[in-house]
Amino acid sequence: KNEVEQSPQNLTAQEGEFITINCSYSVGISALHWLQQHPGGGIVSLFMLSSGKKKHGRLIATINIQEKHSSLHITASHPRDSAVYICAVQFSYSGGGADGLTFGKGTHLIIQP
Amino acid sequence: DAGVTQSPTHLIKTRGQQVTLRCSPKSGHDTVSWYQQALGQGPQFIFQYYEEEERQRGNFPDRFSGHQFPNYSSELNVNALLLGDSALYLCASSLGVLAGYQETQYFGPGTRLLVL
Repeated sequence: KNEVEQSPQNLTAQEGEFITINCSYSVGISALHWLQQHPGGGIVSLFMLSSGKKKHGRLIATINIQEKHSSLHITASHPRDSAVYICAVQFSYSGGGADGLTFGKGTHLIIQP
Repeated sequence: DAGVTQSPTHLIKTRGQQVTLRCSPKSGHDTVSWYQQALGQGPQFIFQYYEEEERQRGNFPDRFSGHQFPNYSSELNVNALLLGDSALYLCASSLGVLAGYQETQYFGPGTRLLVL
């Protein structure tokens, strides 16, 4: 079964702390996405990774294909970073194109002032 | 660029009714995927449309059907609604490309469906 596991499920931290959210998956993938979902439902795509590391502002995403693991880091966290962070993967598929994603259950992050 | 748009934003139906949700993809995108997100859960893949055909389908019953129009917009239809169909329905668009290259999916704001 193709599964995506995230940890922790809930995380509360103080403003300025370094945040790490982890994602592991069960079988080979073609790409991994980190998404941010705010209350009300809107989802924003933060990163798409197939190898290595990407950085955007205070956000850093890494992936280790051999270990089937990815991490999302937030440096100098701020209350506006409070949201649900979701890991989603595209399992390897020979047909090509942008395929349906399999999602983790999300990490509910609260940054307190 | 309007991004991905969905309509309606909220909808209330009763059991047994039918519902149609609509999605307009981001300009330039030709692939539309639909997801169902139950309260407190991660989204689950329903199906994907490319070139007006269903390319992939998740583990959803035949009550869930869809359509893609020549302008790449898409509809999700759910027949014989059940209480358990209450969820946020998300649409995502992307650009269908050759095998081996992955494209970012852009999500719409979602349609929140409540079945009473």
